Amino acid sequence: DAGVIQSPRHEVTEMGQEVTLRCKPISGHNSLFWYRQTMMRGLELLIYFNNNVPIDDSGMPEDRFSAKMPNASFSTLKIQPSEPRDSAVYFCASSLGGENTEAFFGQGTRLTVV
Amino acid sequence: KQEVTQIPAALSVPEGENLVLNCSFTDSAIYNLQWFRQDPGKGLTSLLLIQSSQREQTSGRLNASLDKSSGRSTLYIAASQPGDSATYLCAVSPYYGGSQGNLIFGKGTKLSVKP
Repeated sequence: DAGVIQSPRHEVTEMGQEVTLRCKPISGHNSLFWYRQTMMRGLELLIYFNNNVPIDDSGMPEDRFSAKMPNASFSTLKIQPSEPRDSAVYFCASSLGGENTEAFFGQGTRLTVV
Repeated sequence: KQEVTQIPAALSVPEGENLVLNCSFTDSAIYNLQWFRQDPGKGLTSLLLIQSSQREQTSGRLNASLDKSSGRSTLYIAASQPGDSATYLCAVSPYYGGSQGNLIFGKGTKLSVKP
């Protein structure tokens, strides 16, 4: 398996623009997570899905952020409108689900909002 | 609220030295604890997962221990090598009334192993 695949790897956009980050989890994994990493706050969970259903979105910072998982093999994280403070590395991770399964991370998307 | 702390934030050692990285967490109600490695500009690589009922896990030169009652875990790296240089992250999966949890991360320990 190719692992968790994220695209794009890098994104530079102007403030106010819409940004869409994409993730393909490992085939057969039932849980998918979106994290954000910054120097100040470290890794923070934004939202996670179980069997394509959002379970906990309490980490989504504002209404500008939205995430979808239309099927088991694809998820998106959208920011509209983007702001400079959204600049961070966004990671997607997946796992088999259940109490004691490892989470596998993608390579991340480095977002810069200017 | 679960909080994860890693000490030290940075560590520099000469090659060949054995070392210990520390992780503490505030709530012992966890499913498991994972140690990850992150290289600059890269994603996270899972190193070891310790279930809440386990005391330790080993993989090669790595040994991770878990003392759930005291809220502590250690990652022991034997005979360190320059290739071990990376940031090491500890994360716990919290138990919330039986529902599947997520991962709460510490801020990591940046390790530098000098030749």
